Amino acid sequence: DQQVKQNSPSLSVQEGRISILNCDYTNSMFDYFLWYKKYPAEGPTFLISISSIKDKNEDGRFTVFLNKSAKHLSLHIVPSQPGDSAVYFCAASATYNQGGKLIFGQGTELSVKP
Amino acid sequence: GAGVSQSPSNKVTEKGKDVELRCDPISGHTALYWYRQSLGQGLEFLIYFQGNSAPDKSGLPSDRFSAERTGGSVSTLTIQRTQQEDSAVYLCASRRQGANTEAFFGQGTRLTVV
Repeated sequence: DQQVKQNSPSLSVQEGRISILNCDYTNSMFDYFLWYKKYPAEGPTFLISISSIKDKNEDGRFTVFLNKSAKHLSLHIVPSQPGDSAVYFCAASATYNQGGKLIFGQGTELSVKP
Repeated sequence: GAGVSQSPSNKVTEKGKDVELRCDPISGHTALYWYRQSLGQGLEFLIYFQGNSAPDKSGLPSDRFSAERTGGSVSTLTIQRTQQEDSAVYLCASRRQGANTEAFFGQGTRLTVV
């Protein structure tokens, strides 16, 4: 039962353009969502998060959008830079029902070409 | 140190042997997670510790896998009678009190079963 899904295994974008990474979830109890970035041979690093009481959170070039009715979130990176090339994971947790267990998607490999 | 520390960074073991993987979380973090990333796959949840509560073991793939967290700090993941399909990167993360916070990951332990 894959509760958090990233249906695009890879995405290729030109430098300077927008990258849009998508994530869908099935558990309506999820109330906190996070995006992580992972380089090869390193642990994932936190990028940005959003609580279910919001529909948008922005931090520099990174913006996360949450559509609760569609159970969908997306990460926008603009402008994209070659250093953004990495695997991006979305994650979700349900504070009160599952006590903060973090469930991750399968990841999307982003390639930003110069 | 300031971050999550995992040891060893690499482990090669013979099929059938037992292995222990160690995780030192960030001091004061009450939540600790173990994940597994097999080649080309996403982050598979294994087990979650939160304070003094009973751990959530729902992700452990078989009874050959077990984990402990002593004194609410260091955690050990033990795999008994290792199989080739156990080969993966094992990642540990910790999170401070309160679910709506980010989790911090260690660098991972790359386990190879030959």
